[in-house]
Amino acid sequence: DAMVIQNPRYQVTQFGKPVTLSCSQTLNHNVMYWYQQKSSQAPKLLFHYYDKDFNNEADTPDNFQSRRPNTSFCFLDIRSPGLGDAAMYLCATSRDRGISEAFFGQGTRLTVV
Amino acid sequence: AQTVTQSQPEMSVQEAETVTLSCTYDTSESDYYLFWYKQPPSRQMILVIRQEAYKQQNATENRFSVNFQKAAKSFSLKISDSQLGDAAMYFCAYRSAGAGGTSYGKLTFGQGTILTVHP
Repeated sequence: DAMVIQNPRYQVTQFGKPVTLSCSQTLNHNVMYWYQQKSSQAPKLLFHYYDKDFNNEADTPDNFQSRRPNTSFCFLDIRSPGLGDAAMYLCATSRDRGISEAFFGQGTRLTVV
Repeated sequence: AQTVTQSQPEMSVQEAETVTLSCTYDTSESDYYLFWYKQPPSRQMILVIRQEAYKQQNATENRFSVNFQKAAKSFSLKISDSQLGDAAMYFCAYRSAGAGGTSYGKLTFGQGTILTVHP
């Protein structure tokens, strides 16, 4: 049974048209992460939440925003997607910020046309 | 800021043989956690093995073991008796344990190593 679910699996959006990616979890984990992964590269951390405490990476563009309305759901909003934002977006959760394992979703493949 | 470096973009191994994947990291912290994750083609990333920095004993999980050298900031992964199902991209990852700091809980990945297993 999937524990971290990302929707949709594939998203095509137009250049400059706002898009939202979603992530839900059934694990009741405190920590949620959003990563951007381009072809065969390391996942790049965009931001993470510890409960409602939001932590933005210094190099995450302002074009990327996130919301976590409750423990189970987290959203990634891209306000004006550019061609360079085409990537796989990974959501992950973790029970805490220590040794606990991070569980990943299957990702959303974003294409910008 | 913490960085994780995997210097081997690709590695290959014969089935049943042993292979070692390298990882080094840079940090000024004394307490942290290290992980190896596996990402099979078109499938989600899963945990292979993990290590707490304060533990000197190397972690082992069945055919997977690590060689953790804290002073050298090295964390290599050894896969024994390699199987076809081990073929994947392997990522080394670092999580800060600095409670209260801005990096607390941040999980940073290396560039990855693609492992091919030959029958």
